[in-house]
Amino acid sequence: DAGVIQSPRHEVTEMGQEVTLRCKPISGHNSLFWYRQTMMRGLELLIYFNNNVPIDDSGMPEDRFSAKMPNASFSTLKIQPSEPRDSAVYFCASSGGQMNTEAFFGQGTRLTVV
Amino acid sequence: AQSVTQLGSHVSVSEGALVLLRCNYSSSVPPYLFWYVQYPNQGLQLLLKYTTGATLVKGINGFEAEFKKSETSFHLTKPSAHMSDAAEYFCAVRDLYNFNKFYFGSGTKLNVKP
Repeated sequence: DAGVIQSPRHEVTEMGQEVTLRCKPISGHNSLFWYRQTMMRGLELLIYFNNNVPIDDSGMPEDRFSAKMPNASFSTLKIQPSEPRDSAVYFCASSGGQMNTEAFFGQGTRLTVV
Repeated sequence: AQSVTQLGSHVSVSEGALVLLRCNYSSSVPPYLFWYVQYPNQGLQLLLKYTTGATLVKGINGFEAEFKKSETSFHLTKPSAHMSDAAEYFCAVRDLYNFNKFYFGSGTKLNVKP
């Protein structure tokens, strides 16, 4: 398996624009996590899906953030409108399968909002 | 909710010296425990994990960690540091009684001096 695939790897956008980050989890995994990493706040869990259903979105910072998982092989994290303080690295991770222990991380999307 | 505490946001050791990175968690019920490593501009990679069984677990690159229930600790060690070990290390727990959520520590940046 190619692992967790995120796109794009880098995104630069202007304040006020809509940004969509994409994630393809590992096939067979039933849990998906979106994290945000910044120098100031470290690694924060934004939202957690299990079997495509959002279980906990308490980490989503504002209504400007939304996430969907229309099927087991695809998830999006959308920011609309984007603000400079949203600049961060966003990671997607998946977990599941027979062992269902650790989370596997993608390479991340580095978002810069100018 | 679980909490994960990593003592020391920055640790500096000389090449060849012992590496000790500390991690304590809050749960009274042993969760699953993990150490991840993050190299610059990359995602998090699993170093090692404890689920059940032997409390001393070995991981990649010569790292090991020992689960101590009485101390609620899961410290990471390596007998002899190598320059390539310079990275950020994250301790994480998986709460088996709270929707299998992952909780991460704030990370420890390891610097290895020649």
